[in-house]
Amino acid sequence: KQEVTQIPAALSVPEGENLVLNCSFTDSAIYNLQWFRQDPGKGLTSLLLIQSSQREQTSGRLNASLDKSSGRSTLYIAASQPGDSATYLCAIDEETSGSRLTFGEGTQLTVNP
Amino acid sequence: NAGVTQTPKFQVLKTGQSMTLQCAQDMNHEYMSWYRQDPGMGLRLIHYSVGAGITDQGEVPNGYNVSRSTTEDFPLRLLSAAPSQTSVYFCASSYGQGQETQYFGPGTRLLVL
Repeated sequence: KQEVTQIPAALSVPEGENLVLNCSFTDSAIYNLQWFRQDPGKGLTSLLLIQSSQREQTSGRLNASLDKSSGRSTLYIAASQPGDSATYLCAIDEETSGSRLTFGEGTQLTVNP
Repeated sequence: NAGVTQTPKFQVLKTGQSMTLQCAQDMNHEYMSWYRQDPGMGLRLIHYSVGAGITDQGEVPNGYNVSRSTTEDFPLRLLSAAPSQTSVYFCASSYGQGQETQYFGPGTRLLVL
């Protein structure tokens, strides 16, 4: 059974800092990995999707990497802003399931002005 | 497009009552799924559907029923509510299998007394 772990569980940084969120998974047979953002009391918003054949994806100040062999992904946020404060979740879509996501528990990020 | 919509936003039930959580999408997505989110457990898949008339169980299906009579709608039924079903429920949809971004609804917060 796929297990997804996110470290750290919580992170507090000053505005402007570059930061890295980590996600690890136990089974490398994946279709893709997605990073989501969740604001308090809200649904999930997809930030980046990395397909299994890709190494990284970029969107604005966000860059996500994928290393299937080591079972790791990182989400890099450049020049963090208070508006980036949210919980960030990574989710695995496995080859055997197809659009059935296995989630980590998330990293709660606070960016202080 | 409205995207993925869920009703109600919040519901209080007594143990043993039944109810239906509604989910609809207007993006002509084939894949739809239901997750529950609990503190310390992350999001877990309850049921999913790969198209109208086709449903299957996820990780935590007990106590829930689903049906998919149209592409647009995927209701989740609680047969006899229990306090253990207190949670936040999210519906998600995607266009195809495995390579597509998943879109989430805003969630239904359910409290079972």
